[in-house]
Amino acid sequence: EVQLVESGGGLVEPGGSLRLSCAASGFTFNNAWMNWVRQAPGKGLEWVGRIKSRTDGGTTDYAAPVKGRFTISRDDSKNTLYLQMNSLKTEDTAVYYCTTITVFEGRYDAFHIWGRGTMVTVSS
Amino acid sequence: QSVLTQPPSLSGAPGQWVTISCTGSSSNIGAVYAVHWYQQLPGTAPKLLVYGNSNRPSGVPDRFSGSKSGTSASLAITGLQAEDEADYYCQSYDSSLSSWVFGGGTKLTVL
Repeated sequence: EVQLVESGGGLVEPGGSLRLSCAASGFTFNNAWMNWVRQAPGKGLEWVGRIKSRTDGGTTDYAAPVKGRFTISRDDSKNTLYLQMNSLKTEDTAVYYCTTITVFEGRYDAFHIWGRGTMVTVSS
Repeated sequence: QSVLTQPPSLSGAPGQWVTISCTGSSSNIGAVYAVHWYQQLPGTAPKLLVYGNSNRPSGVPDRFSGSKSGTSASLAITGLQAEDEADYYCQSYDSSLSSWVFGGGTKLTVL
């Protein structure tokens, strides 16, 4: 069964740090482009960032609100994706989902498999 | 303010047909980028419903269909059912922002 399981969420004070993990199973993780998408309470979805597979360069891209504060990494030996979040702000409070990109028909890249998410609350 | 604009809410009776619009610009939907749609049932993670403007992943009923024209896209749901009550999001890529972008979401209520 294809599965993504996030962990590491919790309560952190503004300015603090937190590292999220996403454990993958049921598919070839090292070939996958992985993303983090977040959803603030009662709000819509917001793309956070992406890491390519190592064979495609392993490069990362980030949304403007988190660039310079968040870092995505991966450990293919552990089938695990990470999100290191530093200098956290109250507006970073959200459920954080990890999700894979699947390229359908060789041309359409969509967020296909989603984890259940982990809640991050930034508050004093 | 989302880059892609959706109506905040819609409603319909069981068996009816509803359409959810998604309006973008020349740097996203109006460019070469496809539109994808996601369904988020209450308290759950999003689920891919339509990819590449009009294609359904395996297992998605054919009651759901997507289309794209110019700088807009639409998701149509026919034969509305109670279990369709959910939030729906469109998504594309924006070349100006170099970022994947989502619509603000549409809350569909089945009366």
